[in-house]
Amino acid sequence: AQSVTQLDSQVPVFEEAPVELRCNYSSSVSVYLFWYVQYPNQGLQLLLKYLSGSTLVKGINGFEAEFNKSQTSFHLRKPSVHISDTAEYFCAVTPASGGSYIPTFGRGTSLIVHP
Amino acid sequence: EAGVVQSPRYKIIEKKQPVAFWCNPISGHNTLYWYLQNLGQGPELLIRYENEEAVDDSQLPKDRFSAERLKGVDSTLKIQPAELGDSAVYLCASSTQGATYNEQFFGPGTRLTVL
Repeated sequence: AQSVTQLDSQVPVFEEAPVELRCNYSSSVSVYLFWYVQYPNQGLQLLLKYLSGSTLVKGINGFEAEFNKSQTSFHLRKPSVHISDTAEYFCAVTPASGGSYIPTFGRGTSLIVHP
Repeated sequence: EAGVVQSPRYKIIEKKQPVAFWCNPISGHNTLYWYLQNLGQGPELLIRYENEEAVDDSQLPKDRFSAERLKGVDSTLKIQPAELGDSAVYLCASSTQGATYNEQFFGPGTRLTVL
């Protein structure tokens, strides 16, 4: 089984400042890793994913994440945030084989961008 | 192209009443998922369909929850009778079918409040 720990439930930051949202996972098998964003009263939207290859993954809206296998982490970063980035962010993991690819989600991190 | 459509968006009912949620996936997506998202949590899978077949329903509380996808397109999730603890957001997602990873696309969800 897999599990995901999002280390911060809430991250306040000022506009144009950099931000890092932390995610650690646990798994006995190889995994795929994801970050999703959920704006208020909306469904989840995929920000980026790591399936294989380069450990630095670039996603939409200027976000990127780095897969660190030795530290079992997949932290999300953005060099300069906007007010519109205020949302809930979910890290997720799924086994890299087996066919179903059902994600196990973390509890979410609320990113609050202040003007 | 239209995304995943869910209705209603919001539903308020008294406990012990029945309730149903409807989902229409993206055209051509054979795989359909229903997730439960409790407040402050990430989504958890309730049931997955491949066409009209429920292939993973181990997390569906079958004493009160039921789901169907009769023609392998749209789907209905029902709760009868609803309990206070069922208050949550019910998300539907869809993806194409295949042995490799295929991105899930989420609908906006139905927010259920049980009084």
